[in-house]
Amino acid sequence: KNEVEQSPQNLTAQEGEFITINCSYSVGISALHWLQQHPGGGIVSLFMLSSGKKKHGRLIATINIQEKHSSLHITASHPRDSAVYICAGLYNTDKLIFGTGTRLQVFP
Amino acid sequence: DGGITQSPKYLFRKEGQNVTLSCEQNLNHDAMYWYRQDPGQGLRLIYYSQIVNDFQKGDIAEGYSVSREKKESFPLTVTSAQKNPTAFYLCASAPDSQETQYFGPGTRLLVL
Repeated sequence: KNEVEQSPQNLTAQEGEFITINCSYSVGISALHWLQQHPGGGIVSLFMLSSGKKKHGRLIATINIQEKHSSLHITASHPRDSAVYICAGLYNTDKLIFGTGTRLQVFP
Repeated sequence: DGGITQSPKYLFRKEGQNVTLSCEQNLNHDAMYWYRQDPGQGLRLIYYSQIVNDFQKGDIAEGYSVSREKKESFPLTVTSAQKNPTAFYLCASAPDSQETQYFGPGTRLLVL
């Protein structure tokens, strides 16, 4: 079965904390996407990666192909980072399979 | 401005009625997608199109139909055969199927 599993489901943090969200995926997934969904429902693509590590501002995404595992890190978290973070695996090079999301709340 | 737009933002449907959700993009993307999001679940693929005049069923296509007559437009019709249509519908586009997808703002459909 093609699956993408995220943990934790919910995460709360104090402003300034370092945050990690994890994603495990099954065989057949060639690339991993990290997405951010804000309360209004809009989704923004943060990263797409198939190997190594990518960084954009305070966000870092890593992927370990052998272990089929990816992590999204947020450094110096801020209340505006509060959102649902979704990982999605690109299956068969043409379809995304989505995790159920991690709801992050950062308190001042 | 380049982007992907969906309309309407909210849509109410009476039982037994077909409704059509609009999705338009001016990014010159070949690939377009329709997803459904339900509370507590990941996005699920309804239909996708990799090129004009061609589309494929996704994982939950029953009760839905699409067309791709123009590159920039990929409307989704929710038919009366869809027994549980209340959900948040998201459209996305990408340069091709292996590239980053860009999402529209979504349409929330409610059945009265």
